Amino acid sequence: EAGVTQSPTHLIKTRGQQATLRCSPISGHTSVYWYQQALGLGLQFLLWYDEGEERNRGNFPPRFSGRQFPNYSSELNVNALELEDSALYLCASSLVLSGGRNEQFFGPGTRLTVL
Amino acid sequence: GEDVEQSLFLSVREGDSSVINCTYTDSSSTYLYWYKQEPGAGLQLLTYIFSNMDMKQDQRLTVLLNKKDKHLSLRIADTQTGDSAIYFCASQGGSYIPTFGRGTSLIVHP
Repeated sequence: EAGVTQSPTHLIKTRGQQATLRCSPISGHTSVYWYQQALGLGLQFLLWYDEGEERNRGNFPPRFSGRQFPNYSSELNVNALELEDSALYLCASSLVLSGGRNEQFFGPGTRLTVL
Repeated sequence: GEDVEQSLFLSVREGDSSVINCTYTDSSSTYLYWYKQEPGAGLQLLTYIFSNMDMKQDQRLTVLLNKKDKHLSLRIADTQTGDSAIYFCASQGGSYIPTFGRGTSLIVHP
């Protein structure tokens, strides 16, 4: 069974540009989560999509947005890029398990560098 | 808001046991997770523990939970160089979204 995939692996942009990151969840998973992993800061929750709807968002400005498509794949858009947006962006997918356990499966990430 | 704290680094000798500690603040946490991240890769779920358990063992891994003190630990027996990685603790409470710690870098010396 294929795992969570993300593209591109690396992305280099300049300040002020827009970046689009893509994620395909594990087959059968309807929930997709986006996290930012900046150096030394651990994982910061960005967005949660389920069944095509945004369910929750973390403490990030509105220039971080995304969507989920009917096939449950997802896109993260970052507008007006700033230097501090440089980070590894991780996507995870999950199924709600019995008892409410939210076991997340992560992709390898997209390394975004803003120059 | 919810917070999860971990020490940043742990260095051990090959063959010794490693103990990685974590504290969390969310008293409504129902599940606590340990993830492993190898260089250049995403996170891989190692194990989890339900909040009504004190201990869970899975081969070389032992998870201990002190719910009163909101303290979680991961013990790796007979640590190998292949265990070198970053280990993340995460707590899942009422918000359903797990809160992750900053990760502990485990360095295993031959």
